[in-house]
Amino acid sequence: DTGVSQNPRHKITKRGQNVTFRCDPISEHNRLYWYRQTLGQGPEFLTYFQNEAQLEKSRLLSDRFSAERPKGSFSTLEIQRTEQGDSAMYLCASSQVGGDSPLHFGNGTRLTVT
Amino acid sequence: AQKVTQAQTEISVVEKEDVTLDCVYETRDTTYYLFWYKQPPSGELVFLIRRNSFDEQNEISGRYSWNFQKSTSSFNFTITASQVVDSAVYFCALGTSGAGSYQLTFGKGTKLSVIP
Repeated sequence: DTGVSQNPRHKITKRGQNVTFRCDPISEHNRLYWYRQTLGQGPEFLTYFQNEAQLEKSRLLSDRFSAERPKGSFSTLEIQRTEQGDSAMYLCASSQVGGDSPLHFGNGTRLTVT
Repeated sequence: AQKVTQAQTEISVVEKEDVTLDCVYETRDTTYYLFWYKQPPSGELVFLIRRNSFDEQNEISGRYSWNFQKSTSSFNFTITASQVVDSAVYFCALGTSGAGSYQLTFGKGTKLSVIP
């Protein structure tokens, strides 16, 4: 168990550019989640996958955001035409199936849009 | 809708003091799950404990203890004999499985500073 891995750790981009983040979950976990955390706030749910199927998306996930999990392994989160309001820590988590299964989080990708 | 309230934004204690972090939740679901996570300065959220709505038994793990009371919709976390390494932001979270939704709703967190 090597934990949840996220890349890159930091990303600085100019407004209007596209960015993509990657998450590698714990290998035996079926579920993968993306959360966003801004300064002084708790993480907010964005979306989650069970295997390769994206089962739920938050209203926070605008049309500029897209997430994929091909083959039910790693996942990518892409933000198109970034805005300054997208600056945040993007957290990935994984868990086993089961409503009470704890989420195991990665270190996150900190995005700064200038 | 689910909601988690952590009324204490920041707490400072002197090392070896006991400290309790409050968490109040709201949900209409009858089956739900409560969690506490620790976020040290390094940023990674670390899972501490999980509680199911049908199990109100309190739990103790070393210096940590949790008091779950459905009557007051609270799930408080106590650290006994605090240490500097306990300094972090602590988040309470609520998970429900109604309609197949497995997202967690987090509180805003309580920043704990333990002063040597």
